Amino acid sequence: DTGVSQDPRHKITKRGQNVTFRCDPISEHNRLYWYRQTLGQGPEFLTYFQNEAQLEKSRLLSDRFSAERPKGSFSTLEIQRTEQGDSAMYLCASSPGVTDAGYTFGSGTRLTVV
Amino acid sequence: AQSVTQLDSHVSVSEGTPVLLRCNYSSSYSPSLFWYVQHPNKGLQLLLKYTSAATLVKGINGFEAEFKKSETSFHLTKPSAHMSDAAEYFCVVSDRANAGKSTFGDGTTLTVKP
Repeated sequence: DTGVSQDPRHKITKRGQNVTFRCDPISEHNRLYWYRQTLGQGPEFLTYFQNEAQLEKSRLLSDRFSAERPKGSFSTLEIQRTEQGDSAMYLCASSPGVTDAGYTFGSGTRLTVV
Repeated sequence: AQSVTQLDSHVSVSEGTPVLLRCNYSSSYSPSLFWYVQHPNKGLQLLLKYTSAATLVKGINGFEAEFKKSETSFHLTKPSAHMSDAAEYFCVVSDRANAGKSTFGDGTTLTVKP
């Protein structure tokens, strides 16, 4: 068990381009979460999965954002037609599926849109 | 609905003196409460958690937090600050109504002076 892995660590993209991030959770964890963190703010919830089912999406997640978790293993977060306001740290976390377990976070993917 | 308010955005202490980081929460149900720490350029790490057992919770690196339902507070303390404690600290609430989705506070930056 190597923890939660995120790839890439950094991504610089031009406005209007599409980007995709990957998260590999702890293998025993059936819940996977995506959060977004901007400078000076706490992480904001984007979406979460229980196994392969996407159970909730935040209103922050516009139609340009889509997330998948095929087969309940790794997850991808895609942003289409990126905007400068999408620049942020994108955090992935996993948990064993009970409310009081807490999360294990990955190191995040820092997205810069130029 | 659940929410968290971290009462201080910045706290500065001298090495060897006590640390107090304040957190108030709001939850419609019996909450689980957490503190996470984020060191510069590092991922978020779980410090400690309250899950309806003992109200005084001990975590890693000598930190403690006390759940006070009457005050809806979950303040983080440490008797003696160390230089390595300098980091960003996040108070987090989660309840069953939100299926394990956690809401983060905006964070408190702890500075430790030599």
